Amino acid sequence: RKEVEQDPGPFNVPEGATVAFNCTYSNSASQSFFWYRQDCRKEPKLLMSVYSSGNEDGRFTAQLNRASQYISLLIRDSKLSDSATYLCVVNLPGDSNYQLIWGAGTKLIIKP
Amino acid sequence: DAMVIQNPRYQVTQFGKPVTLSCSQTLNHNVMYWYQQKSSQAPKLLFHYYDKDFNNEADTPDNFQSRRPNTSFCFLDIRSPGLGDAAMYLCATSRDLTETYEQYFGPGTRLTVT
Repeated sequence: RKEVEQDPGPFNVPEGATVAFNCTYSNSASQSFFWYRQDCRKEPKLLMSVYSSGNEDGRFTAQLNRASQYISLLIRDSKLSDSATYLCVVNLPGDSNYQLIWGAGTKLIIKP
Repeated sequence: DAMVIQNPRYQVTQFGKPVTLSCSQTLNHNVMYWYQQKSSQAPKLLFHYYDKDFNNEADTPDNFQSRRPNTSFCFLDIRSPGLGDAAMYLCATSRDLTETYEQYFGPGTRLTVT
C-alpha cells in the first residue's frame, strides 16, 4: 500500500460546479497535511495547509479525517484556472521530520 | 523578486554522458532539495542540504550526486545518465527543517536522455 494515495483522475468538471477529492495516508502518526497545486509542466506550489479543525480559503476548503486517515479538498464555484493537478502531501514525525511524503496527484480539468 | 532559479530549463544529454543541473535561490533559505518527477508521478526526493550538511535518501542511486558550494547555489550531477533518468528535476528550498511543508520550487529542468 502506498503511503499517500490519490485518485489520479482526471476529474472533468463543468465551470461553476463544486468538486471534491480525497487523499488517504497510511501512517497514523502523520502530523501535518498539505495540498499543493501543480500546473501542467510547471512546479508545485503550496495551496493550503490542512488543520484538524478544517481550513477554508475562499472557494477552497480542506478537511482532515484522522479516524479514517484521509484529507479532502473541496473547490466551490470552479473556474477554468483551477485546472491543474492537486498533490496531497503528508509530513511524518520523528527523525525524518524534514521529509514530505507526496501523493501522485489528482488531475482536475474544468470545462467551459 | 526572491525566487528559485533553475538552469537550464531543458537539457538533452546522451546516454552515459555526465550532466549537471543548477539551482540558485535568492530567498536565503537554509535548506535546498532536489526532486525527480516523472510523468503522472509524485515528486521523489533525491537528497537535501541543510546548510552544508548533505542528506542522501536511502534509495537515491549512486549515479546522482550533489554539491552546494554556498548558500545560494546547489548542483545536481548525474554521472552516467541512463534512459530511465529522463524526468523533470525540481529544486526546492525551505527556510528551515521545521518549515519543510512550505517549499518553494524552481521551474524545473526537463532532462531528456538520448
